[in-house]
Amino acid sequence: AQKVTQAQTEISVVEKEDVTLDCVYETRDTTYYLFWYKQPPSGELVFLIRRNSFDEQNEISGRYSWNFQKSTSSFNFTITASQVVDSAVYFCALSESFPYGNNRLAFGKGNQVVVIP
Amino acid sequence: DSGVTQTPKHLITATGQRVTLRCSPRSGDLSVYWYQQSLDQGLQFLIQYYNGEERAKGNILERFSAQQFPDLHSELNLSSLELGDSALYFCASSPGGMTDTQYFGPGTRLTVL
Repeated sequence: AQKVTQAQTEISVVEKEDVTLDCVYETRDTTYYLFWYKQPPSGELVFLIRRNSFDEQNEISGRYSWNFQKSTSSFNFTITASQVVDSAVYFCALSESFPYGNNRLAFGKGNQVVVIP
Repeated sequence: DSGVTQTPKHLITATGQRVTLRCSPRSGDLSVYWYQQSLDQGLQFLIQYYNGEERAKGNILERFSAQQFPDLHSELNLSSLELGDSALYFCASSPGGMTDTQYFGPGTRLTVL
């Protein structure tokens, strides 16, 4: 069963528009961590944000913000005032200690974001 | 730059061959993780080492093996290569705790012809 679902495969926006990426996760753990990573065309995986399961406060960091809702198992990510450099694939990932006892990451399939100038 | 280095950046080889991918973690990190990214399987966890010891195994084939050396660098060995092994292989590192963020290297793109 897929632990992390990112339903939208490709999202196109015009520069300066906001873009929100949806992530739904599945876990039986009570303590877990959620991440967003960015993979630009150059291929590397860049860490963006992290949230733990016991802190539902939503935050903003620059043009990035995230909305964590434990009740719906969702961890959505928003880029405000998108720029061409935001064009990339964005991955949501889950780290849980059960049942494996280590913090391996389970990734969603990614959202391809295309920002049109 | 995450501070994690991987060599080589690209590798082209033939079926049946064996290759070694190398990873140097960030300074001070004790844990190294290997992931495979392919078009059909997406990003999948392969194996984790912590301070030289294997800590966890994921979807790693028996033809694949890894180790972490005393200087904490790690190598992923892929043998009897098949066309389906063509993928981007990432190494990530973290300080070692259960709650750590993993920082990824630039990846090694393996093409098996």
